[in-house]
This record gives sequence, structure tokens and C-alpha cells, in this order.
Amino acid sequence: EVEMVESGGGLAQPGGSLRLSCTASDFTFSSYSMNWVRQAPGKGLEWVANINQDGTEKYYVDSVRGRFTISRDNAQNSLYLQMNYLRAEDTAVYFCASGSGTWGQGTLVTVSS
Amino acid sequence: DIQMTQSPSSLSASVGDRVTITCRASQDIRNDFGWYQQKPGKAPKRLIYAASTLQSGVPSRFSGSGSGTEFTLTISSLQPEDFATYYCLQHNDYPYTFGQGTKVEIK
Repeated sequence: EVEMVESGGGLAQPGGSLRLSCTASDFTFSSYSMNWVRQAPGKGLEWVANINQDGTEKYYVDSVRGRFTISRDNAQNSLYLQMNYLRAEDTAVYFCASGSGTWGQGTLVTVSS
Repeated sequence: DIQMTQSPSSLSASVGDRVTITCRASQDIRNDFGWYQQKPGKAPKRLIYAASTLQSGVPSRFSGSGSGTEFTLTISSLQPEDFATYYCLQHNDYPYTFGQGTKVEIK
């Protein structure tokens, strides 16, 4: 069964950094573009970033551009999100989502002093 | 940015009812569009992609239609496990954008 598992969430201070990881199993990870999507507590879904299959094209929502970096390692079936200069409004559950429609279970990021 | 306007924001329905949710895009997105179901505390689940293609494993009571700027999700006969929040998503242009969500509640 296809599965994607996120990790790396937790508590960070404003201005701090976190690195999220998403590891996929049992499917052709390198064949699909990948996304990060977040959901603030009690709110709707917000797309954050996308990376193409070979990692050469990356796109971001305006609110994170210049602070977050998406990357992938196809040899490790892994997707990453480096989050710098974190703000309180970045507090959310972060999901990785494949272009195939598979989502991870999410990892909670809390930005607070 | 492409705006996705989803309606209604919530609805109450009974088991067996036919339910329709609509999403309107602020510009032509062809069929670069999908529908997602989310239950509390869980990850979203893709139901429909390419506007009208049923994701593998999703019950046939779910169907999607539309192209361009108007899209519809129909649940032909609502089941107890369908009470959830539904979101639309456009992936025609960056930034990808979701609708605001429709919460389907039990009447």
C-alpha cells in the first residue's frame, strides 16, 4: 500500500527554523511532482509549495517565498521543506501530497515564544 | 492568483439525500481540478481528479463534472461515512488554490 510519512514538526520560536521530511514507500516517487500543503488550526487548506519530478522547478505561495525551500531526494524517496524565519502565522499541520493524489498524515508545526 | 469560490460553505443533509457542491474559478482552468474529502483530524483524501475522474477506490456515488470555470461534486446518495468537509483545488496555475470548504453535516 502506498504510504507517505511526514516528520520534523514541533515547536519553534519566531525567527527560528525547522526542516520537515516526507518519506514515501511503495510507489514510484520520482514519477510525480510533490507538494506541501498546510492547514492552520480550525482553518481550510493552503497550498505551500510544489517541486517537479526531477527537482529543477520549484514554486511557492507568496507568504513563504524567500523563507521556505522545497527539495527532494529521489534516491531516498524523500521530500523536504526547510522553513526559516518562522512566524506565528506559519503554525499549522503540514501535509506532503503527491501528484498521484496520495497524502501523508501531517506533522504539526507550532511557532510560539 | 486564481480564486476558487466554493458553495455552500455548509449544508445539512440526511442519509440517502443527493448532495451537490459547486466550485467556481476566477478564470479558465480547463480541467486542472480536483475534489478532496477531509474528516476531523485526518489528512485530505482525493476523490476526483481531472474534474471528473474518480480516484481508484472511491465509491461510485461520488461524481464530478465541469470544465473551464464551473465545477460540481455530486454525492448521489449520502452515506453516514460521507459526513465530512469537502474542498476543491485548482492546479492550473501557481499558486495552486483551494476553495474555502463545504462542511456536510447530519440533518
